Amino acid sequence: AQSVTQLDSHVSVSEGTPVLLRCNYSSSYSPSLFWYVQHPNKGLQLLLKYTSAATLVKGINGFEAEFKKSETSFHLTKPSAHMSDAAEYFCVLSGSARQLTFGSGTQLTVLP
Amino acid sequence: DTGVSQDPRHKITKRGQNVTFRCDPISEHNRLYWYRQTLGQGPEFLTYFQNEAQLEKSRLLSDRFSAERPKGSFSTLEIQRTEQGDSAMYLCASSLVGGATYNEQFFGPGTRLTVL
Repeated sequence: AQSVTQLDSHVSVSEGTPVLLRCNYSSSYSPSLFWYVQHPNKGLQLLLKYTSAATLVKGINGFEAEFKKSETSFHLTKPSAHMSDAAEYFCVLSGSARQLTFGSGTQLTVLP
Repeated sequence: DTGVSQDPRHKITKRGQNVTFRCDPISEHNRLYWYRQTLGQGPEFLTYFQNEAQLEKSRLLSDRFSAERPKGSFSTLEIQRTEQGDSAMYLCASSLVGGATYNEQFFGPGTRLTVL
């Protein structure tokens, strides 16, 4: 069985400060992990993906994530938040048939 | 726009009615997935096709749910005898197995179903 746990349902940061969205996973095999973002009334967009290459993954819009096997974590970070980053973020695990298992999401609020 | 499209974007129906949603994937993509997203939750996987073959359907929520992809292009998801609990966003995604995008799934905007 595989699962994804997003440790915070809501995160609030001030514009210009760092962002940290936490994700832990459980998988019986080497996982492929993703972060997707969902803006209101828009489709899910891929931010970045880990597929057993480099453990530090760079994505779009300045986001990064680090795969840590020993901690079964895949946390998402960004050095400086922008107002446009406010959205729902999903940590996602790819299954054996490539179907995706989503976490429950983290709502990011960026304060001016 | 050459992304994944879904139709309709919104559907309001009365309990007990049948509804059908359509998904048009990115044209060269050979895999098509259906997900359901309820309020405050992440999407949950329902079923997927590789070309016209439905390779996984055990996760469909009940026998009232069915999906087809008759010619390996567009797909339909049908819900028979809708219930209020079926109210959700239904998402479609497509991917190209073996392509440079490494199975990245591209999502459509979703169909929001409201059952009264």
